[in-house]
Amino acid sequence: SQKIEQNSEALNIQEGKTATLTCNYTNYSPAYLQWYRQDPGRGPVFLLLIRENEKEKRKERLKVTFDTTLKQSLFHITASQPADSATYLCALAPSPGGATNKLIFGTGTLLAVQP
Amino acid sequence: DAGVTQSPTHLIKTRGQHVTLRCSPISGHKSVSWYQQVLGQGPQFIFQYYEKEERGRGNFPDRFSARQFPNYSSELNVNALLLGDSALYLCASSLVHLQDYGYTFGSGTRLTVV
Repeated sequence: SQKIEQNSEALNIQEGKTATLTCNYTNYSPAYLQWYRQDPGRGPVFLLLIRENEKEKRKERLKVTFDTTLKQSLFHITASQPADSATYLCALAPSPGGATNKLIFGTGTLLAVQP
Repeated sequence: DAGVTQSPTHLIKTRGQHVTLRCSPISGHKSVSWYQQVLGQGPQFIFQYYEKEERGRGNFPDRFSARQFPNYSSELNVNALLLGDSALYLCASSLVHLQDYGYTFGSGTRLTVV
């Protein structure tokens, strides 16, 4: 069956350290993968998109990698701050070829950055 | 510019009732998608509309329906509400119907069915 898995347990790290979040998928051939941040009671906020032919994408303190062989994406936040505390969602777009235009989301990983 | 606007923000309904949720996309965005997010889970795709036509439908029963209006705003309707329909309903808008860019989500409508 098709699945997207993210770290089910909360990730607790110290301020200033690098947070690394994992997204693994099975039985998909995604054209691209996206990462979103979600705060309690709010809608997800788009952070980064990486395409299947890209290995790495950076934006300020954020870095995403995409390994289509391992079927895995890693999301890094360097020099983490308490304000980075939130739930981070990965979402993939199933391979184009059909009419679907949906995103498939993982369950999210709760990140807590301690001061 | 205003972001994606959803109304109402909170709603309490009784089992068996009907509900209508509304969404106004960012000005210029022609694509609207609806997602359901149950507590502790990621958002789950319900519908996508582009240029007033349905472009995608998720694995939801026929009790769920939607439409997009000429001004690109959208409504999500749910009939015969069940307790399991309690969730955060999210609307997302984008410039094009392909998911090549990130979506902009609204803050959602929190629906509680009692």
